[in-house]
Amino acid sequence: AQTVTQSQPEMSVQEAETVTLSCTYDTSESDYYLFWYKQPPSRQMILVIRQEAYKQQNATENRFSVNFQKAAKSFSLKISDSQLGDAAMYFCASPTGTASKLTFGTGTRLQVTL
Amino acid sequence: DAGVIQSPRHEVTEMGQEVTLRCKPISGHDYLFWYRQTMMRGLELLIYFNNNVPIDDSGMPEDRFSAKMPNASFSTLKIQPSEPRDSAVYFCASSLVLAGGTDTQYFGPGTRLTVL
Repeated sequence: AQTVTQSQPEMSVQEAETVTLSCTYDTSESDYYLFWYKQPPSRQMILVIRQEAYKQQNATENRFSVNFQKAAKSFSLKISDSQLGDAAMYFCASPTGTASKLTFGTGTRLQVTL
Repeated sequence: DAGVIQSPRHEVTEMGQEVTLRCKPISGHDYLFWYRQTMMRGLELLIYFNNNVPIDDSGMPEDRFSAKMPNASFSTLKIQPSEPRDSAVYFCASSLVLAGGTDTQYFGPGTRLTVL
């Protein structure tokens, strides 16, 4: 069963604007980490941001931030001041089964336009 | 640190041939993961190791697939015999373990496998 859902197959944002990518997950773990990865055309999987579930404060990394709602099991990624280099596939990942294993969503393809 | 190293980067082979993919994890990492990425199925976990021991191989699609980790700095994923439907990008990733779960998984550049 799919435990990580990214409901937006594609998104588009203008340069310098803000975009939010959504993700919902399902895990039975109590302490865990959630991740957003970026995969540009080079296909390299690059960590964007990580959220520790036991922390109420949303993680922030420069122009990237998350809106983490533990009760709703929602973990969205906000990209501010979008740049052309942000164009990529973005994958959300959460633990499944055990905290050691991650399940990845199907990805959201982000286009950045001038 | 050099990051996770995978070889080869590209592999083209004919159906029925044996294929061996190689991975060197980041030094000191406890976990090693093998993933397969296809358009149809996305990113799938095949198998993972903890301290060189296979923990969960439930994602390995068939007996044609096998993986080993003879030491902390090397792992292989072997497909024998290979079939066209095995064509995909295979990623290796490694991570540490933390009290709250595994730390960030760091991915290698992937091996693009094409089976003709």
